[in-house]
Amino acid sequence: VQLVQSGGGLEQPGRSLRLSCAGSGFIFGDYAMNWVRQAPGKGLEWVAFISTKDYGGATEYAASVNGRFTISRDDSKNIAYLQLNSLKTEDTAVYYCTRGFLSGSNYRFDYWGQGTLVTVSS
Amino acid sequence: DIQLTQSPSFLSASVGDRVTLTCRASQGISNYLAWFQQKPGKAPKLLIYGASTLQSGVPSRFSGSGSGTEFTLTISSLQPEDFATYYCQQLDSYPPFSFGPGTKVDFK
Repeated sequence: VQLVQSGGGLEQPGRSLRLSCAGSGFIFGDYAMNWVRQAPGKGLEWVAFISTKDYGGATEYAASVNGRFTISRDDSKNIAYLQLNSLKTEDTAVYYCTRGFLSGSNYRFDYWGQGTLVTVSS
Repeated sequence: DIQLTQSPSFLSASVGDRVTLTCRASQGISNYLAWFQQKPGKAPKLLIYGASTLQSGVPSRFSGSGSGTEFTLTISSLQPEDFATYYCQQLDSYPPFSFGPGTKVDFK
């Protein structure tokens, strides 16, 4: 199982970025995906969730990004995306994609991408 | 939203020490709690899920316990590679899948 991230970089406040997360070594469409971020020197913050197509591709967002970020997935390409719009300086963080695995009643974030740095600054 | 607190924030320990970290939830979350280890510049690594189930490949010196609102992560004999920051995460009521603020385990 591998999750390889791309995208990110330096962007100005108010602009947009798109992050990608390519999965391999597993049936991508069978798993929910999440994005988690970590501001410099800070803890982990869950950002967004997308379910599998079997569950309608439902999405959920943290209050801090709701209305500005959009999570999506393309199962034909085994890629999850996070579109970051109306960027704010407080969005500066390392962003991780992570696979959501449900077994029985236990859900867990079992595999993580390598992380990608997003810096929002003028 | 469910809030998680972790104690202590920092812990100084030596190789071979038995170490216990605590995570408390603001309301009952049954056993829907996970523990992660994170080293500087690296992605978090899942150690424990379901409060007490060891993730595949994780050394048996790590163990988790608890239910409801109080949980512990124990390292039975601290190894050099265990110096890291540890986070708990609740998966009972979401969104959000909240994380605790972390406990940093450092060399004494």
